[in-house]
Amino acid sequence: GAGVSQSPSNKVTEKGKDVELRCDPISGHTALYWYRQSLGQGLEFLIYFQGNSAPDKSGLPSDRFSAERTGGSVSTLTIQRTQQEDSAVYLCASSFSDRVGYTFGSGTRLTVV
Amino acid sequence: KQEVTQIPAALSVPEGENLVLNCSFTDSAIYNLQWFRQDPGKGLTSLLLIQSSQREQTSGRLNASLDKSSGRSTLYIAASQPGDSATYLCAVVQTGANNLFFGTGTRLTVIP
Repeated sequence: GAGVSQSPSNKVTEKGKDVELRCDPISGHTALYWYRQSLGQGLEFLIYFQGNSAPDKSGLPSDRFSAERTGGSVSTLTIQRTQQEDSAVYLCASSFSDRVGYTFGSGTRLTVV
Repeated sequence: KQEVTQIPAALSVPEGENLVLNCSFTDSAIYNLQWFRQDPGKGLTSLLLIQSSQREQTSGRLNASLDKSSGRSTLYIAASQPGDSATYLCAVVQTGANNLFFGTGTRLTVIP
């Protein structure tokens, strides 16, 4: 597609449930990033993929968070046993080269009730 | 750990004014610095990218400067318009890293 597509755009889930957030990057972009934007906070880096491998997972806040990328394309961010503090906007970005040319998706707004 | 600060947190100006947004970062070992804008409920749009070896970049009414040694960048917006209303985010890529470190943004309102 022409841009980075994220789904769903909004997700309301009950505390304790698992959720999956999807990111479809721009075709040909080898680098993919997940960020989290909490209310009143800056964007927080979660994980970086180069192709299908994740050389930097340092931003994942706990072992409840995991992500994978298949075929060098679509990525899924999974949050297990969601907590209220997981409520945030989760943004995905892809780029054609490390460090430059980022294109961001519109994000998934996650609300844990 | 790199920390990026943006001042002011919010700014309101009448249409037509020139304005400056400030960004500071604690670790000068950066690969590049980027300015983004974020509209409510939307993703981020890249505005300007300054490589660590550059001093400034210009695009239309926008001019961004970088003083790496002092850990500062400014975004200058000339002849502001209501359509410029958005949150402006500054972000740096650390040398040896791949991810962006973001500031908390400046929310700009341009009053018609």
